[in-house]
Amino acid sequence: ETGVTQSPTHLIKTRGQQVTLRCSSQSGHNTVSWYQQALGQGPQFIFQYYREEENGRGNFPPRFSGLQFPNYSSELNVNALELDDSALYLCASSRRGRETQYFGPGTRLLVL
Amino acid sequence: GQQLNQSPQSMFIQEGEDVSMNCTSSSIFNTWLWYKQDPGEGPVLLIALYKAGELTSNGRLTAQFGITRKDSFLNISASIPSDVGIYFCAGQLEGGSEKLVFGKGTKLTVNP
Repeated sequence: ETGVTQSPTHLIKTRGQQVTLRCSSQSGHNTVSWYQQALGQGPQFIFQYYREEENGRGNFPPRFSGLQFPNYSSELNVNALELDDSALYLCASSRRGRETQYFGPGTRLLVL
Repeated sequence: GQQLNQSPQSMFIQEGEDVSMNCTSSSIFNTWLWYKQDPGEGPVLLIALYKAGELTSNGRLTAQFGITRKDSFLNISASIPSDVGIYFCAGQLEGGSEKLVFGKGTKLTVNP
């Protein structure tokens, strides 16, 4: 059984740029959630995707957007990057109706 | 937004000692999850709790879902050096929201 994978592992961008992060869900899972984790904090929910549609969103601006594909993999896109967007971005997958979420290793984003 | 109060913030213990940490909230949760996160990695699921009063063990780890559904604790018995890391509680709120709300974490240091 393949776990959750994310790419890239690390990324450096400059303010104002755009970034795309990718996530492959665990085998058998159909739901993907994205979280932002600032240094020294717990993960904060960004949004969740199920059946290729957004299914719940946290307190993040519209410049954070996402996609889910038919194979349940997902992308997180962030436009007009700001310095405060520097964080570890975590993807978690789950099976709809089961609350247990399994996390990937994360993508470390640094905005300069 | 919803808050989970996790305590203690950090712990310094000797190898072989038992550890206890907890999370409380003013909100009611349907699910409690405990994760461990090592530096630069994603959270790894330790224990999942689905019913009020449930007591579940995973090796040396034991966790309980509080009767009021507003709290949970995690115990680690006979700690070993590899227990070092940050432990997070996470809950799914009553009402069907799919997002997980996280505590700020408990940083555990084990001295050999």
